[in-house]
Amino acid sequence: EVVLTQSPLSLPVTLGQPASISCRSSHSLVFSDGNTYLSWFQQRPGQSPRRLIYWVSNRESGVPDRFSGSGSGTDFTLKITRVEAEDVGVYYCMQGTHWPRAFGQGTKVEIK
Amino acid sequence: EVQLVESGGGLVQPGGSLRLSCIASGFTFSNYWMSWVRQAPGKGLEWVASVKEDGTERDYVDPLKGRSTISRDNAKNSVYLQMHSLRAEDTALYFCARGRRAPIYWGQGTPVTVSP
Repeated sequence: EVVLTQSPLSLPVTLGQPASISCRSSHSLVFSDGNTYLSWFQQRPGQSPRRLIYWVSNRESGVPDRFSGSGSGTDFTLKITRVEAEDVGVYYCMQGTHWPRAFGQGTKVEIK
Repeated sequence: EVQLVESGGGLVQPGGSLRLSCIASGFTFSNYWMSWVRQAPGKGLEWVASVKEDGTERDYVDPLKGRSTISRDNAKNSVYLQMHSLRAEDTALYFCARGRRAPIYWGQGTPVTVSP
């Protein structure tokens, strides 16, 4: 089974400052079709998960461009250029390459 | 507008059974894999199961293999999760989601509590 390890698990950030979350996979997430099915989700308190990024770096429609995803193979990163108050929540990476699917443990972003 | 509405959750005793339902609208249901994802109180997301568009392929996370069955009825735009031999650790909010690789649409979840 694929294990996704996120770091840090807690991320206090000052408003307007950048934030970065790492997601490392125990196995390569490159699928036989050449695509890498690594996505990022945001879960605000009391809400369902929201997809922010799919296939490593594709931003979902309506997601602010301060969010970006990068990486390849087993190492991936979600970056927020300037954190805003509405970005508070838990962020999860998820792999859709191997069965069973898996999420990272989640990174809680809060404002200092 | 895409909507996923779960139902069927509730309080069940250890060893009991429960059938969760999710009714979809706003898209051609039979064209998409459907999945269940759960979240224990205060914990992270855990993939539960997925079913192919025509119901011919299914996959489950290990803790639920042998104790659950995912199924769908394309005529009713619905996906189901039948769970047996429930344990305290199955207590969670169960989400229905569209897709199998990176779900974009999620329901609000239905809560399952396993307790004497």
